Amino acid sequence: EIVLTQSPGTLSLSPGERATLSCRASQSVSSSYLAWYQQKPGQAPRLLIYGASSRATGIPDRFSGSGSGTDFTLTISRLEPEDFAVYYCQQYGSSLSFGQGTKLEIK
Amino acid sequence: EVQLLESGGGLVQPGGSLRLSCAASGFTFSSYAMSWVRQAPGKGLEWVSAISGSGGSTYYADSVKGRFTISRDNSKNTLYLQMNSLRAEDTAVYYCAKADEGVIINDAFDIWGQGTMVTVSS
Repeated sequence: EIVLTQSPGTLSLSPGERATLSCRASQSVSSSYLAWYQQKPGQAPRLLIYGASSRATGIPDRFSGSGSGTDFTLTISRLEPEDFAVYYCQQYGSSLSFGQGTKLEIK
Repeated sequence: EVQLLESGGGLVQPGGSLRLSCAASGFTFSSYAMSWVRQAPGKGLEWVSAISGSGGSTYYADSVKGRFTISRDNSKNTLYLQMNSLRAEDTAVYYCAKADEGVIINDAFDIWGQGTMVTVSS
């Protein structure tokens, strides 16, 4: 089983700043089968990024994904008020598993 | 509009059973793998089970293997999760989720339902 570890656990930033979220896998994720989701309180998760770097339909271009192998990054270039939420990475190259999440909070 | 609607959650005693349903609309249901993902109160996401588009292949997390059964009825556009021998640690919101691209389970989830709450308590 591939274990995903996200860091930091909580990230405190202000609107307009750049956010960098990390996801590290315990073994290489094949074919960069890694996705990122955003979840707001009381809502279902929303797909942001798939294939490590492809934006899902309707996702603003301030969201970008990068990485390969065991190290992946979600970057939000300029934070908007609606971006403050919890973010999860997920690998789907070997079975399916999620990271524990990063909470992005307003500073 | 592509939509998933879960139902069947509720309060059940430890050791009891419950069957969740997920009604799909707005897409060709049989063309996509489907999964169940759960979220315990205040916790993160945990993948539970997946099924291929045809229903011929099923997969389970170790935490539910032997207790939960995933199935689908493509004629009714409905996904199911039969949960037996329920434990307190199964308490969670259960989401059904659609595979982004196709029939195999190795995929991201592009559409999620709103979730249904399962509480296991005496």
